[in-house]
Amino acid sequence: DADVTQTPRNRITKTGKRIMLECSQTKGHDRMYWYRQDPGLGLRLIYYSFDVKDINKGEISDGYSVSRQAQAKFSLSLESAIPNQTALYFCATSEGSGRVMETQYFGPGTRLLVL
Amino acid sequence: DAKTTQPPSMDCAEGRAANLPCNHSTISGNEYVYWYRQIHSQGPQYIIHGLKNNETNEMASLIITEDRKSSTLILPHATLRDTAVYYCIVRPGNTGKLIFGQGTTLQVKP
Repeated sequence: DADVTQTPRNRITKTGKRIMLECSQTKGHDRMYWYRQDPGLGLRLIYYSFDVKDINKGEISDGYSVSRQAQAKFSLSLESAIPNQTALYFCATSEGSGRVMETQYFGPGTRLLVL
Repeated sequence: DAKTTQPPSMDCAEGRAANLPCNHSTISGNEYVYWYRQIHSQGPQYIIHGLKNNETNEMASLIITEDRKSSTLILPHATLRDTAVYYCIVRPGNTGKLIFGQGTTLQVKP
């Protein structure tokens, strides 16, 4: 089984709809992240969480919200989807907790299309 | 966070070494150099990282210049499966955030 899973893998929605993307991990990591990737571009950080009680905005948090329901779960919500939120979304985890040499492990991605 | 500059694309013959350069002239003393790669819209995959010493693991080698203003990722014997976008990232040791640029698209050719 994959260590970092994302659901759904593909989603088509309409402008104005609320949607939620889910991320679960079995790595036991404290830190979790949400990124988006647009065609031909690198990844941009949306939100990140260093533990269950910690939520931080990334580079491009407008139009998004997150919920860290448990150490293993981190959800990304689009309250009112708009077409320019069409992108590939990645969840990632890292061990954190004071370790300097932390590596991020990425999920397989969710491809979202907003019509 | 320091910015990185990478060539947009490179080609490499299968079986040969692939040398991917990265400039990070504004890197500060507590920033690490990380390399990730992304194979065709899959999640990025960690390759290697370093601070100032050269590093080697089962995937690659990382050569960092003495002034730390540039580095080179070396894939010693490139295969077709190494075709991917390679990202060079610098970040402070414990911030957790990775700032991705546009990376280098490496095409390994038969």
